[in-house]
Amino acid sequence: KQEVTQIPAALSVPEGENLVLNCSFTDSAIYNLQWFRQDPGKGLTSLLLIQSSQREQTSGRLNASLDKSSGRSTLYIAASQPGDSATYLCAVSPGANSKLTFGKGITLSVRP
Amino acid sequence: NAGVTQTPKFRILKIGQSMTLQCTQDMNHNYMYWYRQDPGMGLKLIYYSVGAGITDKGEVPNGYNVSRSTTEDFPLRLELAAPSQTSVYFCASSYEGRGLTEAFFGQGTRLTVV
Repeated sequence: KQEVTQIPAALSVPEGENLVLNCSFTDSAIYNLQWFRQDPGKGLTSLLLIQSSQREQTSGRLNASLDKSSGRSTLYIAASQPGDSATYLCAVSPGANSKLTFGKGITLSVRP
Repeated sequence: NAGVTQTPKFRILKIGQSMTLQCTQDMNHNYMYWYRQDPGMGLKLIYYSVGAGITDKGEVPNGYNVSRSTTEDFPLRLELAAPSQTSVYFCASSYEGRGLTEAFFGQGTRLTVV
């Protein structure tokens, strides 16, 4: 059974820091990996989707990498801002669908 | 485009009552999903549908039912509410084709069973 782990559960950094959020998964036979952002009491917003054949994806200050063979992904946030404070969830799918297995998320707090 | 819309946003049910959580999407996505999120936990898949008239169980289907009569709508039915069903429910949709599998989520329904 696929398991997705995100450690630590919470992270607090000062504004302006570059930071890396980690995600690991136990079964490397994934089709894609998706990073989401969740604000308190809100739904999930898709940040980046990486197909299994890709190594990384970039959107603005965000860069996600994927090492399928080692079962790891990282989300890099450059020059963090207080507005980046949220919970970041990593999820993987086994096939060409969105039957996602989620990690528990990392709650990020960026201090002004 | 509204994306994925869920109603209601909040609901309190008494044990044994029934209700339907509504979900509709306007992106012409063929796949739709229901997830639940418990405090401090990741989301878990309840049911999913690959198209109108086709549904299948996810990881935690017990106590729930679904139907998919149209491409747009995917309601989730709770027949006999139990405290264990207190959770936040998210509906999602995606277009499966040419390897495009990005999932889009609704804003959630926060359900409390007392």
